[in-house]
Amino acid sequence: GQQVMQIPQYQHVQEGEDFTTYCNSSTTLSNIQWYKQRPGGHPVFLIQLVKSGEVKKQKRLTFQFGEAKKNSSLHITATQTTDVGTYFCAGEDTGRRALTFGSGTRLQVQP
Amino acid sequence: NAGVTQTPKFQVLKTGQSMTLQCAQDMNHEYMSWYRQDPGMGLRLIHYSVGAGITDQGEVPNGYNVSRSTTEDFPLRLLSAAPSQTSVYFCASSRFYNSPLHFGNGTRLTVT
Repeated sequence: GQQVMQIPQYQHVQEGEDFTTYCNSSTTLSNIQWYKQRPGGHPVFLIQLVKSGEVKKQKRLTFQFGEAKKNSSLHITATQTTDVGTYFCAGEDTGRRALTFGSGTRLQVQP
Repeated sequence: NAGVTQTPKFQVLKTGQSMTLQCAQDMNHEYMSWYRQDPGMGLRLIHYSVGAGITDQGEVPNGYNVSRSTTEDFPLRLLSAAPSQTSVYFCASSRFYNSPLHFGNGTRLTVT
């Protein structure tokens, strides 16, 4: 079945450093979504990308969707302690009307 | 609006016991789904429903049953709990299956 892989699994940065997480799908995606989960919390929707090559920004967060629609990235500029959490990408499962989630990247920010 | 409400927040079961995790949403969403989250494994889909009266299996359905008699409610039943079902369970809803998901706060289940 479809696989959605994320790297790295974990990243520890100093506050102010940049951070990037990458998401790769084994199949072409119609769209990709990104979620953030704070420690002890539930996933919260961040953004959805639909078009090939699409780039969207939310303040210090930049999201990209690859030209082939099989990969995506989330880049955070100048991390803050409020960015701590796990970031998940999710793509449409080709066999089901459902989202398949990547395993997530856990971000720790040292103040 | 309450959004997606899950009960209970915590539950401890003994092996072989049964229970139902409740999920309700007040956003009139057609789509609802259940995921389980285990350390290092992300969110894995258990069951989903595209509307009242329609349910389907996800990636890891064994040991779980669901029903969708109303648009608002989507309970998850564990028929005979096993230690392998120790996990955090999230219910989520959305307008359509590829729309952004709204998650409940989760149920932390421990099976001993």
